[in-house]
Amino acid sequence: GENVEQHPSTLSVQEGDSAVIKCTYSDSASNYFPWYKQELGKGPQLIIDIRSNVGEKKDQRIAVTLNKTAKHFSLHITETQPEDSAVYFCAALRGDIQGAQKLVFGQGTRLTINP
Amino acid sequence: DAGVIQSPRHEVTEMGQEVTLRCKPISGHNSLFWYRQTMMRGLELLIYFNNNVPIDDSGMPEDRFSAKMPNASFSTLKIQPSEPRDSAVYFCASSDKRGEQFFGPGTRLTVL
Repeated sequence: GENVEQHPSTLSVQEGDSAVIKCTYSDSASNYFPWYKQELGKGPQLIIDIRSNVGEKKDQRIAVTLNKTAKHFSLHITETQPEDSAVYFCAALRGDIQGAQKLVFGQGTRLTINP
Repeated sequence: DAGVIQSPRHEVTEMGQEVTLRCKPISGHNSLFWYRQTMMRGLELLIYFNNNVPIDDSGMPEDRFSAKMPNASFSTLKIQPSEPRDSAVYFCASSDKRGEQFFGPGTRLTVL
């Protein structure tokens, strides 16, 4: 089955700097890669995703890159702000022929933005 | 849309009692997922449904756990009898055919 590894487990950056979180996956058939942000006391929130037919996607200060050959994908946050502090999860999905969609999550990265 | 709705938001119960968690998925979504989150084990998928049919319950820890989805707009996760080690945050999520999963706010369960 699919296995997703996420690094680093904790990350601390100065406000205004960039943050990068990396994930690797094992199943070459996986074709959808979302990123979730979880703030304290809340459920994970989908912030950006990428499908296997593109290599990069950007939404304002957030971008995700995908390298299918190497089976890794990364989240990039530029011009970080204190409200970016949260736990971030990557995930990979292999859609099956029945249409059921099972995400496999990474272990999470606790990002702290220092003012 | 109100998003995924879960109830209760917090539940405190004593060991041995039955606990029922409830979820209302986003209207039009055809898949529903139950997750458990703890500090030690992270985010674990317990069971998921597609078109109200259970597809994979391999994540359900024991026979004490059961889940139902009687219709497209409602699901329950039941623990009977509950134990202290069941204490965790339980999330429900739903998705459409594109696979984008949206999570509810979670139920924080404490078993004393």
